[in-house]
Amino acid sequence: AQKVTQAQTEISVVEKEDVTLDCVYETRDTTYYLFWYKQPPSGELVFLIRRNSFDEQNEISGRYSWNFQKSTSSFNFTITASQVVDSAVYFCALSEAWDSSYKLIFGSGTRLLVRP
Amino acid sequence: EAQVTQNPRYLITVTGKKLTVTCSQNMNHEYMSWYRQDPGLGLRQIYYSMNVEVTDKGDVPEGYKVSRKEKRNFPLILESPSPNQTSLYFCASSIAGRTSTSETQYFGPGTRLLVL
Repeated sequence: AQKVTQAQTEISVVEKEDVTLDCVYETRDTTYYLFWYKQPPSGELVFLIRRNSFDEQNEISGRYSWNFQKSTSSFNFTITASQVVDSAVYFCALSEAWDSSYKLIFGSGTRLLVRP
Repeated sequence: EAQVTQNPRYLITVTGKKLTVTCSQNMNHEYMSWYRQDPGLGLRQIYYSMNVEVTDKGDVPEGYKVSRKEKRNFPLILESPSPNQTSLYFCASSIAGRTSTSETQYFGPGTRLLVL
């Protein structure tokens, strides 16, 4: 069955530290999509990245980078030189090509607190 | 500005009093969906719609209804709310189809509902 696991419930770091948020997924589909969303204290969900299962290239966007490894079914998210504004709940999500509902299967989220 | 809007943003109601949460998008997206977010569970899909007059159940549809009479609107109806429907609700929309990276689902700001 499809599943997304974010084992880290909460992480606390001091500003300027690097931090990695883990995401492990399970799926039987060979074509699937992985996402990261950010939920700041204000509550909205902000899209960060989308990845296709056939594209294992890592991606960097400013201080953010993502490491996709099919061999370990992981899609980890690293923030370099963290800032207080990075404090939020981060969700990893999976959608499967065969699923006609297009639903996103979310992990339970990781709350990141960046202290000044 | 491309966006998904929801109203109301906050709502306190009593058991059994019918309510509607509206969702509207201005991106001409075919696909729309409702999710609820509960602590420790991430987000779960309630209902979705592939286009006008085409709706279907998600993973947790009990106690909810939806309609899709216009492409831009997808209201969520709670005919007889109960305390276990206290949650944070999100509407999302995207282009339907799996041929481009624009299939990312964009979320509304959320509606926080408390049923007493």
